[in-house]
Amino acid sequence: QQQVKQSPQSLIVQKGGISIINCAYENTAFDYFPWYQQFPGKGPALLIAIRPDVSEKKEGRFTISFNKSAKQFSLHIMDSQPGDSATYFCAARAGTGFQKLVFGTGTRLLVSP
Amino acid sequence: NAGVTQTPKFRVLKTGQSMTLLCAQDMNHEYMYWYRQDPGMGLRLIHYSVGEGTTAKGEVPDGYNVSRLKKQNFLLGLESAAPSQTSVYFCASSYREGADTQYFGPGTRLTVL
Repeated sequence: QQQVKQSPQSLIVQKGGISIINCAYENTAFDYFPWYQQFPGKGPALLIAIRPDVSEKKEGRFTISFNKSAKQFSLHIMDSQPGDSATYFCAARAGTGFQKLVFGTGTRLLVSP
Repeated sequence: NAGVTQTPKFRVLKTGQSMTLLCAQDMNHEYMYWYRQDPGMGLRLIHYSVGEGTTAKGEVPDGYNVSRLKKQNFLLGLESAAPSQTSVYFCASSYREGADTQYFGPGTRLTVL
């Protein structure tokens, strides 16, 4: 059962444009929503994360928007650069202490020069 | 500080052969994880460990065994490899408190013929 649904599967954006990746979840107990970035041949690395007590979190060109009522969250990459070309995974986790992360299926982003 | 390392990087097995993947971390993390990554399916948790000497099943544990005899090492074993186990395997680790950020290794690409 896919608990976190991610779209689109792939995305092509021109340099300088805005990249938007969306995720939706079903489990209302989720309270931590990270995004991981993975370059080819490398392991995923935490990019940015949000908790549901805020609707938006921004770190440089990367912003997470969170809509608790709709059970959706999205990653926005402003002024996209070719170096942002990677696969992006959203994820979610419920509760405190040790709780397993549930990952989305990933979005392959290509930023064209 | 090497972070999370995995050996080997690549491996080709024949159906029925066995092998062990080794994960090591030098960050004194309590929690360790094994994931597999398949196209269109994201990262799926195979097994995890919340401390030395403990292991638990994740989402897709069948056909795999694990051991955590030392805090810094987490081994993933395939006793009788099957073509369905062709995948990229990632190890990750995280701190005990909060366990918000998982640090991933570079991955092992396994092909089972």
